[in-house]
Amino acid sequence: QKEVEQDPGPLSVPEGAIVSLNCTYSNSAFQYFMWYRQYSRKGPELLMYTYSSGNKEDGRFTAQVDKSSKYISLFIRDSQPSDSATYLCAMSLPSGNTPLVFGKGTRLSVIA
Amino acid sequence: EADIYQTPRYLVIGTGKKITLECSQTMGHDKMYWYQQDPGMELHLIHYSYGVNSTEKGDLSSESTVSRIRTEHFPLTLESARPSHTSQYLCASSRGTSGSQETQYFGPGTRLLVL
Repeated sequence: QKEVEQDPGPLSVPEGAIVSLNCTYSNSAFQYFMWYRQYSRKGPELLMYTYSSGNKEDGRFTAQVDKSSKYISLFIRDSQPSDSATYLCAMSLPSGNTPLVFGKGTRLSVIA
Repeated sequence: EADIYQTPRYLVIGTGKKITLECSQTMGHDKMYWYQQDPGMELHLIHYSYGVNSTEKGDLSSESTVSRIRTEHFPLTLESARPSHTSQYLCASSRGTSGSQETQYFGPGTRLLVL
């Protein structure tokens, strides 16, 4: 079992839909959680960063962490065609001695 | 916007050639990383460095080598390119003094095609 599991999709939704992207993980020591967005043929860019459990909102994006279930989510409200990209979750340990562990990424298409 | 640069952005080269992919960052980050990513596929960590004169191999076995002589510079070298090396190579950096600072910032990538 991989440390981080993420459904690769593809996920196709109509414009304006609410999108839910998820990752599960097996290592309960992870404390820092990130979501990256990667457009085709580009490098990933950091979207959201959260620490431990709870929610964090930034515009149309909400990141949610449920440590008891080892489950993190990214919600996109009022999705736009420009949100079409691959979304990668990533997580790290508190020690700072190991690189981030990335999910495989979920490919999202928002259809106008 | 992250200040991390990669050159060249695109490279087409023949089998057997030696190539060096350049990566530089101006953020003063101690940690730097190289990933390999095929189109539509996951990121694979191939090398990383936690500071000057420190390099480690990543999860994916790679025939490439790296060096870290200066904090801001982390070049990746392939001594003899092969078609199996065709891929996108992404460089990243992080401040990395604790778990909260492991957030990585990525460069735009180098797309390599070996004929």
